[in-house]
Amino acid sequence: EPEVTQTPSHQVTQMGQEVILRCVPISNHLYFYWYRQILGQKVEFLVSFYNNEISEKSEIFDDQFSVERPDGSNFTLKIRSTKLEDSAMYFCASSADSWNTEAFFGQGTRLTVV
Amino acid sequence: AQSVAQPEDQVNVAEGNPLTVKCTYSVSGNPYLFWYVQYPNRGLQFLLKYITGDNLVKGSYGFEAEFNKSQTSFHLKKPSALVSDSALYFCAVRDLWDGGSQGNLIFGKGTKLSVKP
Repeated sequence: EPEVTQTPSHQVTQMGQEVILRCVPISNHLYFYWYRQILGQKVEFLVSFYNNEISEKSEIFDDQFSVERPDGSNFTLKIRSTKLEDSAMYFCASSADSWNTEAFFGQGTRLTVV
Repeated sequence: AQSVAQPEDQVNVAEGNPLTVKCTYSVSGNPYLFWYVQYPNRGLQFLLKYITGDNLVKGSYGFEAEFNKSQTSFHLKKPSALVSDSALYFCAVRDLWDGGSQGNLIFGKGTKLSVKP
């Protein structure tokens, strides 16, 4: 069964450093997403990406964040100048369609900012 | 703005008994509704969805959910709970009329299901 894969599974970084979280979406999917889940809180939408550009972003997704699809398979989330409050589980997801198909989620990357 | 409410932080059920995990939603148009399950240290796994058609939808692992438009609810159910069903369950919604949304999901805060032997 096809799946979304994320690397690394756990990333520890010092405050102020830049991190890149990587995702390989399901190959025939067209829509890509990043969500995050702060420990003990709800899953929050960050950004959606379609046709090589951001299609929607939340208030959380400010200038500190950026996404890129550098090649035909990878989808990355870059967080610049990390802060303690960026510590969370970050989930990548992809879907074949934006509306009536389910999104498939990766296992997540646990980011710990120290 | 669209939102999802899961009124119970935790649901406790004995194995073999029926279970219900509640979800209500608020959207401006027609909702697309989803249930996901999260096992410890794992990602979100899709269980089932309501798009249109029959109000009772069946999904993975014997789960089903009933869409009730008048009550704006989409409760998750299973006739006979298993210990292995113990996990965190999330209800989510997409709002079709949300000003051009590309399909991002709005999640509830999650309900922890605990099934005891």
